Amino acid sequence: DAKTTQPPSMDCAEGRAANLPCNHSTISGNEYVYWYRQIHSQGPQYIIHGLKNNETNEMASLIITEDRKSSTLILPHATLRDTAVYYCIVNAGGTSYGKLTFGQGTILTVHP
Amino acid sequence: DTGVSQDPRHKITKRGQNVTFRCDPISEHNRLYWYRQTLGQGPEFLTYFQNEAQLEKSRLLSDRFSAERPKGSFSTLEIQRTEQGDSAMYLCASSLTGTNYEQYFGPGTRLTVT
Repeated sequence: DAKTTQPPSMDCAEGRAANLPCNHSTISGNEYVYWYRQIHSQGPQYIIHGLKNNETNEMASLIITEDRKSSTLILPHATLRDTAVYYCIVNAGGTSYGKLTFGQGTILTVHP
Repeated sequence: DTGVSQDPRHKITKRGQNVTFRCDPISEHNRLYWYRQTLGQGPEFLTYFQNEAQLEKSRLLSDRFSAERPKGSFSTLEIQRTEQGDSAMYLCASSLTGTNYEQYFGPGTRLTVT
């Protein structure tokens, strides 16, 4: 599985967009990008995933660069409840493969 | 809301004792996963089941660890002869085959070995 690099921490003001970067320069053609987050004292929560195209759902948007070597998770209007550790995961095997390899993630702190 | 449940939520045990944790997945989910998380680290994959079959085990899962999923419903994770290094949060997750990237995690069992 490709290795990912994320900044250890980021801050964001409430109501602003939070843009969380992830570098995955060794990603291969069949590897998807997944994002999860983990709020303190809870299990991780799936946010979004993508292969090549940008994706959007009710929680966030995922922007993947054309060369697929990096991506950005965008929380369009961050709230205090979005304070969490955000994990960028790259896994082979398509969307049916279940083993997730978490790194250390980015601690996002949303300030009032 | 019948999400993934885990029992117990906390367990304190003395070194050398055996412990067993239980996970009840979302009822229609046929995949079940176990992860371990230590402080400041992301979860680490331990093993997963497709129905009752254990399909993959991490090298992290030493001989002291065993997991079962009889009848493809709930699962148990047993640790024999616990060591202080086993202290961690043990997370269980479940998913539907075909959407295994979307795993639903339980609240975890925090194990402290004294």
